[in-house]
Amino acid sequence: AQTVTQSQPEMSVQEAETVTLSCTYDTSESNYYLFWYKQPPSRQMILVIRQEAYKQQNATENRFSVNFQKAAKSFSLKISDSQLGDTAMYFCAFMIQYSGGGADGLTFGKGTHLIIQP
Amino acid sequence: DAGVIQSPRHEVTEMGQEVTLRCKPISGHDYLFWYRQTMMRGLELLIYFNNNVPIDDSGMPEDRFSAKMPNASFSTLKIQPSEPRDSAVYFCASSYPGNNEQFFGPGTRLTVL
Repeated sequence: AQTVTQSQPEMSVQEAETVTLSCTYDTSESNYYLFWYKQPPSRQMILVIRQEAYKQQNATENRFSVNFQKAAKSFSLKISDSQLGDTAMYFCAFMIQYSGGGADGLTFGKGTHLIIQP
Repeated sequence: DAGVIQSPRHEVTEMGQEVTLRCKPISGHDYLFWYRQTMMRGLELLIYFNNNVPIDDSGMPEDRFSAKMPNASFSTLKIQPSEPRDSAVYFCASSYPGNNEQFFGPGTRLTVL
């Protein structure tokens, strides 16, 4: 079974600052995906960024980037130039990658509540 | 596309009543997932389907919970009888092979009194 741990229940930073959210995971699988999802107060789950475990290059999406350390089983999210609209719960998630492209369910961490102060 | 559609958005019921949550996946997606979110347990996978067939139901908490997918465009999650500890937000998500992203619906907030 897979586990995902987010050790920061809540973080608060000033607008325009850079913030890093931590995530570690445990698995015996070799092929998998990692994700960061954002959940604003509307409770809609929004994909922020994804990483394939076989790719060494860290994924980036505009102001969002990850630091993926496969050996350490670490997957942190960096938000640059933070904005008020980034205030939300952020969930780290894990999914096994099956050969042939089959999907699996997501295993989520408990989340980090990020507050961007004006 | 309208995205994943869930109904109702809110449900309040009394203990012992039957509750049915509904989900319409994105057209063309052949994977459908049901998740539950609570403060205590966070987000957890209940069950998922591929081509209308249940693949993994190991997350279904007990026999009071059942899920069906009679066709590619509709799924239900039923709780009978409901209990206060079933109060949670229930999410449905869908995806298609080759795209590992799961698209979530808006969720159903269930309150069992």
